[in-house]
Amino acid sequence: SAVISQKPSRDICQRGTSLTIQCQVDSQVTMMFWYRQQPGQSLTLIATANQGSEATYESGFVIDKFPISRPNLTFSTLTVSNMSPEDSSIYLCSVERRYTEAFFGQGTRLTVV
Amino acid sequence: KQEVTQIPAALSVPEGENLVLNCSFTDSAIYNLQWFRQDPGKGLTSLLLIQSSQREQTSGRLNASLDKSSGRSTLYIAASQPGDSATYLCAVRREYGNKLVFGAGTILRVKS
Repeated sequence: SAVISQKPSRDICQRGTSLTIQCQVDSQVTMMFWYRQQPGQSLTLIATANQGSEATYESGFVIDKFPISRPNLTFSTLTVSNMSPEDSSIYLCSVERRYTEAFFGQGTRLTVV
Repeated sequence: KQEVTQIPAALSVPEGENLVLNCSFTDSAIYNLQWFRQDPGKGLTSLLLIQSSQREQTSGRLNASLDKSSGRSTLYIAASQPGDSATYLCAVRREYGNKLVFGAGTILRVKS
């Protein structure tokens, strides 16, 4: 298994501001994943974060809106930029062991007002 | 494009009842399938992982089956308890290295 710590667990932010979410894993992993879960919806992959290279974004998500850092094999950050109420969601960090079992952090519940 | 559907969307049962949650996927060429539990406003907890070569996996009161040819998986929960109340999500991976595709989930409420 993997222990994933996400910070903050929740936040209420003003529109137009940015929030950086941190994800720390208890062991080294090659790839880390960032998901969004909008209210009442299932999970949608935002991007895959590889150490030492730029993140790979899914269709509909862009780096200017969701910049990602991956400075080492145990840590990543996701920034939600220039926020609007439509960005209110739960943001989740995930890691996978050899593309087999996926593990998730506790999520960051973001409300934009 | 892989699509994952979970039925029912919501389920309410009395404590002690055995129940089945269903997950179907449109492309039967999957690498593996994973069941998760999500408590309100929280992250996901992995329950069971089934590789494409397996037909079922068991953990405690949980049993998950996989029928690739029909594109279906079921999660069986025995002797349900109020603590089982949560949203249950299934997700499939099409190939080694591919992303997970999630269903919309089944909201389970077990009444005491």
